Amino acid sequence: GENVEQHPSTLSVQEGDSAVIKCTYSDSASNYFPWYKQELGKRPQLIIDIRSNVGEKKDQRIAVTLNKTAKHFSLHITETQPEDSAVYFCAEGGYQKVTFGTGTKLQVIP
Amino acid sequence: NAGVTQTPKFQVLKTGQSMTLQCAQDMNHNSMYWYRQDPGMGLRLIYYSASEGTTDKGEVPNGYNVSRLNKREFSLRLESAAPSQTSVYFCASSATWDRGNTQYFGPGTRLTVL
Repeated sequence: GENVEQHPSTLSVQEGDSAVIKCTYSDSASNYFPWYKQELGKRPQLIIDIRSNVGEKKDQRIAVTLNKTAKHFSLHITETQPEDSAVYFCAEGGYQKVTFGTGTKLQVIP
Repeated sequence: NAGVTQTPKFQVLKTGQSMTLQCAQDMNHNSMYWYRQDPGMGLRLIYYSASEGTTDKGEVPNGYNVSRLNKREFSLRLESAAPSQTSVYFCASSATWDRGNTQYFGPGTRLTVL
């Protein structure tokens, strides 16, 4: 079955530094890789996604890269700000459903 | 346009009691999902409905049942609650599962079973 490993589980960075979160997946048929941000006490919300025919996608300070051969994908946040502090989940989209990673708690220290 | 709504927001049950969590979406989405979220374990899929009229088990279906009442509504039932079912439950919906499957989440239900 599908399995998504996410690292690290916690990450602390100084404001202005970059943050990188990495995920690996097992299902070679997966073709959709979203990232969700969950602020404390709130619902998860999509921040960026990438499809299997694309290697990299950027949206302002956020970028995602995908290596289908190695089954890796990563989230990059540049120039981090305190409001980036949250839990981030990677996920892989396969047949009829999405499998989530276990989450990374990002703390941006002012 | 309310998106995905869930009721109740909070619930406390005693072991053995039953209850139904309600979920509705007004985005005309075909697919709906129920997840539970526990500390350190991410979002685990309980049941899903890829389209109206179908339901399937996810990763952790034991102790739960679901009903896709119509295209808008998808309910989750706990027949005999157990302390292990203490969790935050999220409902989600997506337009279709085979075109990217961006999921939109409800606000969650925080359930405590004593």
